[in-house]
Amino acid sequence: GAVVSQHPSWVICKSGTSVKIECRSLDFQATTMFWYRQFPKQSLMLMATSNEGSKATYEQGVEKDKFLINHASLTLSTLTVTSAHPEDSSFYICSADQGARGGETQYFGPGTRLLVL
Amino acid sequence: GNSVTQMEGPVTLSEEAFLTINCTYTATGYPSLFWYVQYPGEGLQLLLKATKADDKGSNKGFEATYRKETTSFHLEKGSVQVSDSAVYFCALANQAGTALIFGKGTTLSVSS
Repeated sequence: GAVVSQHPSWVICKSGTSVKIECRSLDFQATTMFWYRQFPKQSLMLMATSNEGSKATYEQGVEKDKFLINHASLTLSTLTVTSAHPEDSSFYICSADQGARGGETQYFGPGTRLLVL
Repeated sequence: GNSVTQMEGPVTLSEEAFLTINCTYTATGYPSLFWYVQYPGEGLQLLLKATKADDKGSNKGFEATYRKETTSFHLEKGSVQVSDSAVYFCALANQAGTALIFGKGTTLSVSS
């Protein structure tokens, strides 16, 4: 089946630094990629929807200047957490969509755990 | 707005026991409903889905029925195995697109 990878799987950084997380679809082209965030014992919350070659669409309450999303190719989307603070510590999960509607063609990455000290 | 509520875990069962994980939803319109599973160290995988009322999704011995009258999509399996140990997420997709709204997840632990 389709595989989505994320890198890194774990990152620890100092407050004020920026962190880039990569999401790659390894064996298919993804017209749309989604970024989710999950706090401990909480739901996955959609942060933004990213389409190749266009600006990402952010969910209400998500700061677009803080969470920069770039979808430069059909197999790669990046999420950069700028000037990270401890409250940004979370589990970030991406998914990639081959284009069909209804959600069933979303393939998820294993997630990236971010800890900001 | 749309939301999904699923039972808190962890759920601990012995092998061959019957499993039910409750899921209810709040939505406008007619969402599609899903169960995703996340095995340790892996990404979320689609387990089953249902796109309209009274549809039954099934896969790997798991099944769930889309009940509009009770706004529920409970996951069941007649006989669980140790390999079923994972985190299970109930989710819905609104009609406007493919964005998924997830429940909090339920951890299932099956012992032999």
